[in-house]
Amino acid sequence: AQTVTQSQPEMSVQEAETVTLSCTYDTSENNYYLFWYKQPPSRQMILVIRQEAYKQQNATENRFSVNFQKAAKSFSLKISDSQLGDTAMYFCAFPNTDKLIFGTGTRLQVFP
Amino acid sequence: DTAVSQTPKYLVTQMGNDKSIKCEQNLGHDTMYWYKQDSKKFLKIMFSYNNKELIINETVPNRFSPKSPDKAHLNLHINSLELGDSAVYFCASSPGLAGDLYEQYFGPGTRLTVT
Repeated sequence: AQTVTQSQPEMSVQEAETVTLSCTYDTSENNYYLFWYKQPPSRQMILVIRQEAYKQQNATENRFSVNFQKAAKSFSLKISDSQLGDTAMYFCAFPNTDKLIFGTGTRLQVFP
Repeated sequence: DTAVSQTPKYLVTQMGNDKSIKCEQNLGHDTMYWYKQDSKKFLKIMFSYNNKELIINETVPNRFSPKSPDKAHLNLHINSLELGDSAVYFCASSPGLAGDLYEQYFGPGTRLTVT
């Protein structure tokens, strides 16, 4: 079965520092997309970044970047220059048979 | 202009009642979903429709019944509500079912509290 694992239930980081959230997955597919979603206290689910497995270059969106290791099936999210507004739950997600499978989430707290 | 909207955002009701949650998307997407997020924030898919056709029906009690009158709407009706149904329910849509088309666009969620 295809699975998505987030091994860090909670993390914290000081404002302006860098933090990396880990995600591993299991698949027999060769080409696919991976996604990171953010859920702030407002509970709205927001797409942060996505990565195509076929591309070797890691995706980047402003302060958010991905460290994608296809062979290791690892898809971590790096947040640089953390801001208080980054405080949220973060979910990685992977498509499987007509749906997205979400990890269990990492709760990130950014403190001043 | 809201892309995926849900009504109501909050719903408090008593056990045994029947309630509905409505969802509409104006993105022109073909696929719509219902998710349940429990108190531990675990997000689990319940149903998905593609072009009004049911394609995913996860292990969900048959008290839950989705209805898609057209591609832009997917409603969720729940009969005989139980305490364990208390959760946040998210509607989402995606352009399709391949590659980056899986990218989900979520509604604001409906917090259902059953007392």
